[in-house]
Amino acid sequence: DAGVTQSPTHLIKTRGQHVTLRCSPISGHKSVSWYQQVLGQGPQFIFQYYEKEERGRGNFPDRFSARQFPNYSSELNVNALLLGDSALYLCASRRTGEASPLHFGNGTRLTVT
Amino acid sequence: QKEVEQDPGPLSVPEGAIVSLNCTYSNSAFQYFMWYRQYSRKGPELLMYTYSSGNKEDGRFTAQVDKSSKYISLFIRDSQPSDSATYLCAMSEGVGAGSYQLTFGKGTKLSVIP
Repeated sequence: DAGVTQSPTHLIKTRGQHVTLRCSPISGHKSVSWYQQVLGQGPQFIFQYYEKEERGRGNFPDRFSARQFPNYSSELNVNALLLGDSALYLCASRRTGEASPLHFGNGTRLTVT
Repeated sequence: QKEVEQDPGPLSVPEGAIVSLNCTYSNSAFQYFMWYRQYSRKGPELLMYTYSSGNKEDGRFTAQVDKSSKYISLFIRDSQPSDSATYLCAMSEGVGAGSYQLTFGKGTKLSVIP
């Protein structure tokens, strides 16, 4: 089975621009989460979506938004990019069920100049 | 104090050594404990997943959880150069209000020298 797939793999944007990152979960997984990983740090939780509804949000500004589509794929949008938004953006999916772990994709590396 | 503390290393060991990686946490609501391995320019890969105190073994890897001390460990036996990566501990409170989120440590960078 294919794992979590993310596109694009790399992206360079200028301060103030907007970016959209895309994610396809593992087949059969209905829950999708987004994490931000700054160099040298562990991933930080941004959003979780399940059945197209936001189920959790981390401590990120309103410039960050996301949505989930009927096929369970997801988009992360970031407006008014700042230099500090440069990071690896990770998407993860999981089956529903208490004991199901998260499986991550390889991420989108965003560089803001 | 951060919720999850992990020594970032770097840690360098000779091939064949036993490696011990550790995390401490402060949130007693954490119920699920994971170790992920992350190679350079890749996403985290799930290694071990447990939700009870005690030991769980999978091949050369053993995960240990001590909830009373709020301390988790990952042991790697007979370490190989291919084990060279960053190891991330992660924890969750479980599915509360439909939300499932992980809190990660900073990661420990391990190098296994041939």
